[in-house]
Amino acid sequence: GAVVSQHPSRVICKSGTSVKIECRSLDFQATTMFWYRQFPKKSLMLMATSNEGSKATYEQGVEKDKFLINHASLTLSTLTVTSAHPEDSSFYICSARDGDRMSYGYTFGSGTRLTVV
Amino acid sequence: GQNIDQPTEMTATEGAIVQINCTYQTSGFNGLFWYQQHAGEAPTFLSYNVLDGLEEKGRFSSFLSRSKGYSYLLLKELQMKDSASYLCAVMDSNYQLIWGAGTKLIIKP
Repeated sequence: GAVVSQHPSRVICKSGTSVKIECRSLDFQATTMFWYRQFPKKSLMLMATSNEGSKATYEQGVEKDKFLINHASLTLSTLTVTSAHPEDSSFYICSARDGDRMSYGYTFGSGTRLTVV
Repeated sequence: GQNIDQPTEMTATEGAIVQINCTYQTSGFNGLFWYQQHAGEAPTFLSYNVLDGLEEKGRFSSFLSRSKGYSYLLLKELQMKDSASYLCAVMDSNYQLIWGAGTKLIIKP
């Protein structure tokens, strides 16, 4: 089945620094990837939709200058949290769908636990 | 507005059967997904329903009624490893996924 690799799985960074999270589709091409954020005991919150070769589409309330998304190839999307602050600490997850096979659902990366100190 | 409702928490006994309900109100409908999420991990895909009726996959089954805006996930022969959160998500007319808050399922011996 479709596999999405996400790393790092955990990162601790200092306030003011930037962190890059990578998401790769390993055995399929993902023209679209989705970036989510999840707070403890809360549901997934869509941050942005990443489209290969074009600008990402951000959800309302998500700062595009703070959460930089790059989707340079059909298998790689990156999320960079710039000038991180403690309130950015969260669980970030990417997902993608293998083509039009809805019956296979969306495949998620393993997630990145970001802690800003 | 768009809304997905599911119970916050449920408790069941090992070996028993549990049904997790999900009701939805969305702008259009292009299918409903169920995902399992263990604490600290990413969600994993369980099922996809786009037509009315019951889809069975081993111990897990998912049911959909589009006219009622209702789905349920049925878990049989519960095992301790089934303790997790179960997320219901609906794809709307714009092919956007709308997520429920998840149901935390606690399995007791």
